[in-house]
Amino acid sequence: QSALTQPASVSGSPGQSITISCTGTSSDVGYYNYVSWYQQHPGKAPKLMIYDVSNRPSGVSNRFSGSKSGNTASLTISGLQAEDEAVYYCSSYTSSRILVFGGGTKLTVL
Amino acid sequence: EVQLVQSGAEVKKPGESLKISCKGSGYSFTSYWIGWVRQMPGKGLEWMGIIYPGDSDTRYSPSFQGQVTISADKSISTAYLQWSSLKASDTAMYYCARVGSSRNLKFDYWGQGTLVTVSS
Repeated sequence: QSALTQPASVSGSPGQSITISCTGTSSDVGYYNYVSWYQQHPGKAPKLMIYDVSNRPSGVSNRFSGSKSGNTASLTISGLQAEDEAVYYCSSYTSSRILVFGGGTKLTVL
Repeated sequence: EVQLVQSGAEVKKPGESLKISCKGSGYSFTSYWIGWVRQMPGKGLEWMGIIYPGDSDTRYSPSFQGQVTISADKSISTAYLQWSSLKASDTAMYYCARVGSSRNLKFDYWGQGTLVTVSS
């Protein structure tokens, strides 16, 4: 099972919006609406931000939103804040009944 | 409050065996899958596998099948990840996490991580 493809890095200024893509295949992202996104700050455990493509767990800011088109899912962060600077990982359920992660995208808030 | 507390950092030599643990509390341990995730130094997250403590059903990533063993002791609400013969390439941070839904395998709660260092 190959890792999902994410850009290595994205950046944006405070207040702006950014989008991170996550490309898989018709056996994972394209077939199931089971894409999740995780935020990881340096030295910390990951935190679930989005699940089932576009759902936010309780307590996660509504500045975070998710979507999917075909084999590509996206995470959008609006109104960028300094605290959003982190590495973001997507994941998807697969036809093998396991999970696969993306390679991670480092978000820099300029 | 759901909590996953992992065992402490380990320093081992190549060829040695190791078993690290993850103790769950604040929820019904036997009703949720628990998974393990590897993060090598400076690298991304890798899904290793999951176990359902209720019946010990286990699924592994093909990349880790045969390389590690995932187990659980439901009597003490603890999941384990073990190696029979460590390699230097096993040096990594290992996280356990609760699978919030068997439908989508999302990890909704995470342990603090256990750093494993394998060096001669």
